Amino acid sequence: ILNVEQSPQSLHVQEGDSTNFTCSFPSSNFYALHWYRWETAKSPEALFVMTLNGDEKKKGRISATLNTKEGYSYLYIKGSQPEDSATYLCALFYSGTSYGKLTFGQGTILTVHP
Amino acid sequence: KAGVTQTPRYLIKTRGQQVTLSCSPISGHRSVSWYQQTPGQGLQFLFEYFSETQRNKGNFPGRFSGRQFSNSRSEMNVSTLELGDSALYLCASTPGTLNEQFFGPGTRLTVL
Repeated sequence: ILNVEQSPQSLHVQEGDSTNFTCSFPSSNFYALHWYRWETAKSPEALFVMTLNGDEKKKGRISATLNTKEGYSYLYIKGSQPEDSATYLCALFYSGTSYGKLTFGQGTILTVHP
Repeated sequence: KAGVTQTPRYLIKTRGQQVTLSCSPISGHRSVSWYQQTPGQGLQFLFEYFSETQRNKGNFPGRFSGRQFSNSRSEMNVSTLELGDSALYLCASTPGTLNEQFFGPGTRLTVL
């Protein structure tokens, strides 16, 4: 069983704060890591797809890094806004079990207070 | 481009019944994956279809089955429903096996 762990489980921050979450995973047979944002009453939406050790991706105020050798990824949000409130999921593709199968972590629930 | 659509959005069934859920992927996407989301388990992979063939299956009992049609639309079926099957069922389509997945809004199934 491949375990993808995310921490913290939930986070409350004030508007304007910067924050970060962690996704930890077994590094053997790694193929790709995805970050998704899932807002209430909407569908999960992809933020980043990362495949290479040392990858850094950025989209507006959100960025992510990847370390495949030690098995972790960080997601950073700079200057959090109330609209960033959502569940952030990381998910892994592993070689040998791919073909559409993403293994998801439990998610980090972010609440940004105005 | 229209997004992934799922029907119905909500469904209430009783134990022992069966149910069929439908998913229409984004035009041009040939891979469709299905996931179950429950409060305690998070998103769990059910199966994936590509060009009408099931290529991958998660750890779910045989009561869970699916199929894909030539237009890439997919259905999943759950027979002999149990209370524990109450969940949000999401489907996702993708243009390529390892690309980002595009999720539908889900079908909320309640089993009484």
